[in-house]
Amino acid sequence: GAVVSQHPSWVICKSGTSVKIECRSLDFQATTMFWYRQFPKQSLMLMATSNEGSKATYEQGVEKDKFLINHASLTLSTLTVTSAHPEDSSFYICSATGTGGSNTEAFFGQGTRLTVV
Amino acid sequence: AQTVTQSQPEMSVQEAETVTLSCTYDTSESNYYLFWYKQPPSRQMILVIRQEAYKQQNATENRFSVNFQKAAKSFSLKISDSQLGDTAMYFCAFVSTGGFKTIFGAGTRLFVKA
Repeated sequence: GAVVSQHPSWVICKSGTSVKIECRSLDFQATTMFWYRQFPKQSLMLMATSNEGSKATYEQGVEKDKFLINHASLTLSTLTVTSAHPEDSSFYICSATGTGGSNTEAFFGQGTRLTVV
Repeated sequence: AQTVTQSQPEMSVQEAETVTLSCTYDTSESNYYLFWYKQPPSRQMILVIRQEAYKQQNATENRFSVNFQKAAKSFSLKISDSQLGDTAMYFCAFVSTGGFKTIFGAGTRLFVKA
């Protein structure tokens, strides 16, 4: 299947700083990318959907000014957690759908474990 | 709105035996896709099997097969000859043909015992 690479795998940051997470589709053009948050032993909670070249659509309850999403190209989307706080600590996962493969099957990145201290 | 329900938070099975994970969903659409994903301790999401709603034949991938009952909106996963490496969290997921957002169930944690 298609490959999605997410970076970094884990990051520790100080409270009040910002952290950027990258999600890249390596062998296909990702017209749509999704960002999820996953708490321990729970399911994936969709945070936002981003389409290349347009503003992200955020799910209800997700602060768009806190979780900045950019999808500037067909192979890269970024999630920036601004002014991070300990409650933002979580596992973040991206997925992508697009051309060159199924546009309904989502391909997932490896995830990023964010710890805010 | 579509919903996906997995009513079994945890299950266990003896190695080499068969286990079935349940999933029901709710939608008013007639055409859609259903998936089972595996999330091992590494937390990488791995596609196990997919089913197109317009296909009546149940999908099969090696030891994994589904029982797709469209009228009942049921989509169970059967794992045959369970292996220790099957220990993971399993998520049932729904995608409509009109939108590409994946709706996940709460997950079932499967333990395969030696």
